[in-house]
Amino acid sequence: EPEVTQTPSHQVTQMGQEVILRCVPISNHLYFYWYRQILGQKVEFLVSFYNNEISEKSEIFDDQFSVERPDGSNFTLKIRSTKLEDSAMYFCASSHREGTEAFFGQGTRLTVV
Amino acid sequence: SQQGEEDPQALSIQEGENATMNCSYKTSINNLQWYRQNSGRGLVHLILIRSNEREKHSGRLRVTLDTSKKSSSLLITASRAADTASYFCATGNMNTGFQKLVFGTGTRLLVSP
Repeated sequence: EPEVTQTPSHQVTQMGQEVILRCVPISNHLYFYWYRQILGQKVEFLVSFYNNEISEKSEIFDDQFSVERPDGSNFTLKIRSTKLEDSAMYFCASSHREGTEAFFGQGTRLTVV
Repeated sequence: SQQGEEDPQALSIQEGENATMNCSYKTSINNLQWYRQNSGRGLVHLILIRSNEREKHSGRLRVTLDTSKKSSSLLITASRAADTASYFCATGNMNTGFQKLVFGTGTRLLVSP
């Protein structure tokens, strides 16, 4: 069964460093998303991406964040200068069409020290 | 209550019993999706119900939606120890766009053998 894959599963980084989280969405999907879940809290929307551009973003998604689809398969989230409060589980998701099921990856646990 | 708030927060049952979880939301929605999350793992999509549907089944899962009460319920019949997980509802609504899912706080289900 097709699935969304994310790498790495766990990333530890020093405060102020840049990190890139990688995702391979399901191949025929057109909409791509990043969500995050701080430990013990709700899953929060960060950004959606369609047709090679950001279609929607939350207030969390500030200038420190960026997304890119560098080729036909990968979808990345970059955090330019990590802060302690960026520590969270980051989930990539994809859906075939607007308003349809969104399938999530296993997540990348980011720990900023 | 917040958009996509589940109750109960925690539910403990014996194998073979049914588990019912409820979700309430505030704004108009296009669809509501239920997800399962095993501890520290990814989000597994369970079922999507559209705003013009009242009930949907998938295996041992039954979801209902009452748009007049802005609520949904997830019923797991004949539960198994493997059903132990957190369950979240997530709404896609017209105000925020189809693409952004708003997650609830989740119900932690414990099924004892």
